[in-house]
Amino acid sequence: SQQGEEDPQALSIQEGENATMNCSYKTSINNLQWYRQNSGRGLVHLILIRSNEREKHSGRLRVTLDTSKKSSSLLITASRAADTASYFCATDPRGSEKLVFGKGTKLTVNP
Amino acid sequence: EAEVAQSPRYKITEKSQAVAFWCDPISGHATLYWYRQILGQGPELLVQFQDESVVDDSQLPKDRFSAERLKGVDSTLKIQPAELGDSAMYLCASTNRTSGRAEQFFGPGTRLTVL
Repeated sequence: SQQGEEDPQALSIQEGENATMNCSYKTSINNLQWYRQNSGRGLVHLILIRSNEREKHSGRLRVTLDTSKKSSSLLITASRAADTASYFCATDPRGSEKLVFGKGTKLTVNP
Repeated sequence: EAEVAQSPRYKITEKSQAVAFWCDPISGHATLYWYRQILGQGPELLVQFQDESVVDDSQLPKDRFSAERLKGVDSTLKIQPAELGDSAMYLCASTNRTSGRAEQFFGPGTRLTVL
């Protein structure tokens, strides 16, 4: 079963705008990761935030984590057409070495 | 940059036939994962290996699916017999947990279509 739930399921924006995707999960975690998947391809790791961190930045990406609410958000600033992809959150539940993925948010950035 | 290799990239088969997928992880990665991803969903773990040993195969339909990693390097996932519901993307990933890093590196996947 899938632990994470991304919101929204689909998001369409114009180039240059910011995109925000949210993720909720159910159990205690060691860390939360975000991955990107271009259509028909494998997943690419974007960023990892540990359970004792609240915010993390990587280039145009900003991730927040609220363990009290069991939620995370991914912000992509100044979006580009090349950012068009599906974005998945994945949790690393405590006591487990596996990742549990959500259903993803499909982002379309229109030029 | 090292990558996870998978083959074939695409496979079309008829139901009741046998299919096999191959994965070669990044060199030195002891942990290997096979995921199944149904269209519009996130990946779901089928089996996890640590070296040549199975760590977790709780979600692997063992009546028809099998996986092996005999020498602790490359791995094969087999389905016999294939069913219509097996149509999906099969993804392989690897990681080097001994380095303390948790991110997984994914291959390009094998798209299976069962007719």
